[in-house]
Amino acid sequence: GAVVSQHPSWVICKSGTSVKIECRSLDFQATTMFWYRQFPKQSLMLMATSNEGSKATYEQGVEKDKFLINHASLTLSTLTVTSAHPEDSSFYICSATLSTGVEKLFFGSGTQLSVL
Amino acid sequence: EDKVVQSPLSLVVHEGDTVTLNCSYEVTNFRSLLWYKQEKKAPTFLFMLTSSGIEKKSGRLSSILDKKELFSILNITATQTGDSAIYLCAVPLGSGNTGKLIFGQGTTLQVKP
Repeated sequence: GAVVSQHPSWVICKSGTSVKIECRSLDFQATTMFWYRQFPKQSLMLMATSNEGSKATYEQGVEKDKFLINHASLTLSTLTVTSAHPEDSSFYICSATLSTGVEKLFFGSGTQLSVL
Repeated sequence: EDKVVQSPLSLVVHEGDTVTLNCSYEVTNFRSLLWYKQEKKAPTFLFMLTSSGIEKKSGRLSSILDKKELFSILNITATQTGDSAIYLCAVPLGSGNTGKLIFGQGTTLQVKP
């Protein structure tokens, strides 16, 4: 099946620093990628929709200036958590659609962010 | 407000037991419902359901949708320790197959030897 690679798988950083997470579709082109966040014992919550070549669309309550999304190519989207704080500690996961059809949606392996 | 609710939130069974996981939804422009298994990291796709009353089956797992009562169930028969995972139910939002999903809280299943 299609592969979505996410890097890094885990990161620990100090409060106030910025962290960049990469999401790559390895064997297909993804015009749209999605970024989710998952707090412990909670479900995946959609943060934003990343569109290649245009600005991301953020869900209500997600600060676009804090969570910068760049989708510079058809195979790469990045999420930068700026000025991270302990409350940003979470599991971040991306997904990409192989084609039209949600059954063709593939998830990255996720990034566990811990902000000290 | 669109929402997806799963129950139970957690479940502990022994190998060989049969489990039924529930997912109810209230979503405008409903088109389909998906089940995923999340073991440690990336959710893996199990089923997509679009029509009421038609069971989808894969090995010991099966699922069915009731569009009148707005729910779906996921059955796992003869459970094994490898079935231990979080099972997520999700419904696509908006029109078109955009891949934008709303997830339930998940059911954490633990299968003991």
